[in-house]
Amino acid sequence: NAGVTQTPKFQVLKTGQSMTLQCAQDMNHNSMYWYRQDPGMGLRLIYYSASEGTTDKGEVPNGYNVSRLNKREFSLRLESAAPSQTSVYFCASSENAINYGYTFGSGTRLTVV
Amino acid sequence: GDSVTQMEGPVTLSEEAFLTINCTYTATGYPSLFWYVQYPGEGLQLLLKATKADDKGSNKGFEATYRKETTSFHLEKGSVQVSDSAVYFCALSLYGGSQGNLIFGKGTKLSVKP
Repeated sequence: NAGVTQTPKFQVLKTGQSMTLQCAQDMNHNSMYWYRQDPGMGLRLIYYSASEGTTDKGEVPNGYNVSRLNKREFSLRLESAAPSQTSVYFCASSENAINYGYTFGSGTRLTVV
Repeated sequence: GDSVTQMEGPVTLSEEAFLTINCTYTATGYPSLFWYVQYPGEGLQLLLKATKADDKGSNKGFEATYRKETTSFHLEKGSVQVSDSAVYFCALSLYGGSQGNLIFGKGTKLSVKP
C-alpha cells in the first residue's frame, strides 16, 4: 500500500543546475499537487493537475515546470536552480478533496548551494 | 478570499496537559474542514475531518467540532503525550475551489515535555 511515492528524498544542487522531482501515486486519483514548505511560510502550492492532461499554476510557480506524464505520475522540474528554491517539496494526490482531503508523499529535501 | 488562520506557535506543554489549537476560517461557501499532522521528517497525514456544520471529527484522542456560527474548527486533546509532538495544520476545502482545492493554515508546532 504505497500511496504517494516521491524520489529522491534528499538532493543537493549547485546554483544553475537542473533536476526533476518525481512523484507517483497508486490510488487512481485524478488530481495531483506540488507544494513547497518553508519555515514560517506553511505550505505553498506550486502547481497542480486536476486531471490527466491538465496543469495549472499555483501560488508560487516561478522557476518551476511540471509534467503530468500519465494518471499516476506528476513531475516537478527546476530548470536552473537558485538558492531561494532550497526547501522541502511535497507531492499530494486526491480523488475527492472536499470529502477526503489529500494524501501526501514523504517529501524531498532540496538544498541549492 | 478564502483563508485559514491558526494560532501562532510554538506551543509547549507538559505530558498529560490539555491541548487546544485554535483555527478559524474565511470562506465564501460551505467548506469541509481538516486537521493534518506532520511528525518530524515526514509528510502530512490526515488527522481528522468534518464535512458539515456541527460535525465532530475525532481520531487518536483528538477532536474538533465544525462551528459555522464562529467559523472555527479548534483542535483539542484531553491529555497529550510526548509522541504528539508535531506540527499541526488546519485546512479547508471548497466545492469548485481553485488553487488545488485545499487551503492550509501556516501550521502550529506542538512540543510535549515529559
